[in-house]
Amino acid sequence: AQKITQTQPGMFVQEKEAVTLDCTYDTSDQSYGLFWYKQPSSGEMIFLIYQGSYDEQNATEGRYSLNFQKARKSANLVISASQLGDSAMYFCAMREGPSNTGKLIFGQGTTLQVKP
Amino acid sequence: GAVVSQHPSWVICKSGTSVKIECRSLDFQATTMFWYRQFPKQSLMLMATSNEGSKATYEQGVEKDKFLINHASLTLSTLTVTSAHPEDSSFYICSARVPGHNEQFFGPGTRLTVL
Repeated sequence: AQKITQTQPGMFVQEKEAVTLDCTYDTSDQSYGLFWYKQPSSGEMIFLIYQGSYDEQNATEGRYSLNFQKARKSANLVISASQLGDSAMYFCAMREGPSNTGKLIFGQGTTLQVKP
Repeated sequence: GAVVSQHPSWVICKSGTSVKIECRSLDFQATTMFWYRQFPKQSLMLMATSNEGSKATYEQGVEKDKFLINHASLTLSTLTVTSAHPEDSSFYICSARVPGHNEQFFGPGTRLTVL
């Protein structure tokens, strides 16, 4: 069974609008972490945002926010005021167990295209 | 932020040869590094966990004798693809977790093409 599911292979958004990228996860661990990474065409993986399973507030980093709904096991990424440079592949990832384990499991990814 | 480097950024080799890829943490010590492989238009798949001073832990289905990992120091892990074949052509990317932090930082990746 998929541990991390991203159901949107591709998304379009108009420049300056907000967009939500979906991510659901499956784990029986109580302690886990959720990550979002951006991968532009160059291939580098750029860390965007992190949410710990015990964090009560949704994580925010600039234009990025993570809509964490623990009961629904979802961790959607919201990008506000989209920019052309946001066009890239976006991966949701999960780390099971405490932070010192470190191993990440990735979703299938969502390709985001920002239209001018 | 923390920086992880990889070398080379790309390599083309003949079938049957071995290729070594280096992963370095530039401004922090990493007792654990991770090696991933990514085929075009696909997700990252964890290959192995590299532990400083001990044997690597390989994921199911990854041949440890084909993908040799050495983590000889707190800042360097190497992945050697032995007797490479065209099906090994892929994007190999390493990562490291900054001690005391949740973030995991990735190197820029190495694109391997085996002819």
